[in-house]
Amino acid sequence: EPEVTQTPSHQVTQMGQEVILRCVPISNHLYFYWYRQILGQKVEFLVSFYNNEISEKSEIFDDQFSVERPDGSNFTLKIRSTKLEDSAMYFCASSAGLAGGIEQFFGPGTRLTVL
Amino acid sequence: GDSVTQMEGPVTLSEEAFLTINCTYTATGYPSLFWYVQYPGEGLQLLLKATKADDKGSNKGFEATYRKETTSFHLEKGSVQVSDSAVYFCALSAPWGNYQLIWGAGTKLIIKP
Repeated sequence: EPEVTQTPSHQVTQMGQEVILRCVPISNHLYFYWYRQILGQKVEFLVSFYNNEISEKSEIFDDQFSVERPDGSNFTLKIRSTKLEDSAMYFCASSAGLAGGIEQFFGPGTRLTVL
Repeated sequence: GDSVTQMEGPVTLSEEAFLTINCTYTATGYPSLFWYVQYPGEGLQLLLKATKADDKGSNKGFEATYRKETTSFHLEKGSVQVSDSAVYFCALSAPWGNYQLIWGAGTKLIIKP
């Protein structure tokens, strides 16, 4: 069964450093998302991506964040200068879209720890 | 704005007990509704969904009915097992934008043998 994969599973970084979190969505999906979950808190939407551009972003997704789909398979989230409060679990998700089903399939997550 | 409210946990039950986890929502338009489950140390798995009023989603013995009149989507299971211990998230997908999910806070379920 196709699945969303994410790497790395755990990333530890120093405050101020750049990190790139990687995701491989399900191959025929059209919509891609990043969410985060700070420990013990609710899941929060960061950004959605469709047709090679950002289609929606939340207030959390400020200038320190960027997303890219550099090739036909990868979908990355970059944080330029990490802060302590960026420590969280980051989930990538994909969906086929309206015609194929709007349910989102999630990767296992990347735990980001900023020291 | 759109939001989802879930009952606070943890919810602790004995094996074979009946489960209800309440979920209500506020949304403009007609969202789709979902329950996701997060087992310890794992990611988010879709448990069930409903895309229009009066739809019933079901999976693995869990059920939830989309009630537009009460804006609710309560999760139920007739007889829980220890393996159902997890965190359960109710979420809605807005009919605007690109279907991003708006999440409830999650309810931790603990099933004792």
